[in-house]
Amino acid sequence: EVLLVESGGGLVQPGGSLRLSCAASGFTFSSYAMHWVRQAPGKGLEYVSAISSKGGNTYYENSVKGRFTISRDNSKNTLYLQMGSLRPEDMAVYYCARDKDPMKWLLLPDIWGQGTMVTVSS
Amino acid sequence: EIVLTQSPGTLSLSPGERATLSCRASQSTSSLAWYQQKPGQAPRLLMYDASTRATGIPDRISGSGSGTDFTLTISRLEPEDFAVYYCHHYGRSPRTFGQGTKVEIK
Repeated sequence: EVLLVESGGGLVQPGGSLRLSCAASGFTFSSYAMHWVRQAPGKGLEYVSAISSKGGNTYYENSVKGRFTISRDNSKNTLYLQMGSLRPEDMAVYYCARDKDPMKWLLLPDIWGQGTMVTVSS
Repeated sequence: EIVLTQSPGTLSLSPGERATLSCRASQSTSSLAWYQQKPGQAPRLLMYDASTRATGIPDRISGSGSGTDFTLTISRLEPEDFAVYYCHHYGRSPRTFGQGTKVEIK
């Protein structure tokens, strides 16, 4: 069974930093691009970032470019999102998701984790 | 940027009825997906490339459309279909989502 489990969320002050993790199991992690998508409380979905299967290519939406860094450790089957200069508008549930097909760049989110909540408040 | 506008905002229907959800794009795209999200759960991929069902999606759910106008149809609503549905453009930057359509029990 494909499983994605996010962790690392919590309360952080504006301007602060946080690192999210996404532990993957049940599939060959190193064969798939991975995505981060977020959802503010009571709001819709917003695409954040993606990384290729080997980590050589990355993608960021303008809203997080220069503040967030996506990375992965294929030896640990883990995806990361390093978030810096956090703003109140970054407050959301952050979902990691696997790409639809292996060895492709870049399709769309297919299997999603349950998410981790990031609260930005003083 | 491709802006996706979904309509209606809320659809009130009874089990067994047909649901028709619309997604209009501000520019032409062929990379259009649909997701279903239930309260407290992660989104679930239903359709991609506008009309291709994702793995395990029943054939009562179908997608159609091209260019700027897309439709998700649920032919006969089952209790598990009451949820929020999002369309998603993934072809080029920026990747955008519609604001969602809630399908609620009448």
